[in-house]
Amino acid sequence: DAGITQSPRHKVTETGTPVTLRCHQTENHRYMYWYRQDPGHGLRLIHYSYGVKDTDKGEVSDGYSVSRSKTEDFLLTLESATSSQTSVYFCAISESTAGGRSTDTQYFGPGTRLTVL
Amino acid sequence: GNSVTQMEGPVTLSEEAFLTINCTYTATGYPSLFWYVQYPGEGLQLLLKATKADDKGSNKGFEATYRKETTSFHLEKGSVQVSDSAVYFCALSTSGGGADGLTFGKGTHLIIQP
Repeated sequence: DAGITQSPRHKVTETGTPVTLRCHQTENHRYMYWYRQDPGHGLRLIHYSYGVKDTDKGEVSDGYSVSRSKTEDFLLTLESATSSQTSVYFCAISESTAGGRSTDTQYFGPGTRLTVL
Repeated sequence: GNSVTQMEGPVTLSEEAFLTINCTYTATGYPSLFWYVQYPGEGLQLLLKATKADDKGSNKGFEATYRKETTSFHLEKGSVQVSDSAVYFCALSTSGGGADGLTFGKGTHLIIQP
């Protein structure tokens, strides 16, 4: 299994509070991703990173920000949580080719279940 | 844009039955195709993949063939077990290597009864 951990694994918070989720990898992979999983939607990409301090938006980025100050850590922040952000959040990583591009295959962490009341 | 369509289920089968989960896709360019499996309370695990037309991915008795002419990547298994009960996701990757993420189907919930 890829060395990916997520913390916390479960969190309950209230509307309007800030929340930060952490993804940590031990694989030294360049590419990291945040997805959310909701019934009837599958997984949807929130943000991704292609290196330290290099990030970009995904399909559902509104209300989320990310940071990557170290190769191994990718943080997802909800500045002011809303009930629509209740979801299961997954982090994923992918390797780089010798030329520095991402390979196709992504490996997923165990997920964080977030409930916003 | 890219999209993946798969039956959502639940699909309920008896042990040792033949399994097919259909997956069709729409994509620009030539995508790589994947099946991931999610067991209850866990993250997604890569089950198999195919990167070009007519490739067959296989793992743990599951198979899927990349059919460019029908834009499909159907998952099959000859004899399912109770332990195969899970949610199965079809996904694709384009734009030169997945750098901007995977596009997933909505997932198919498979239930195998003893």
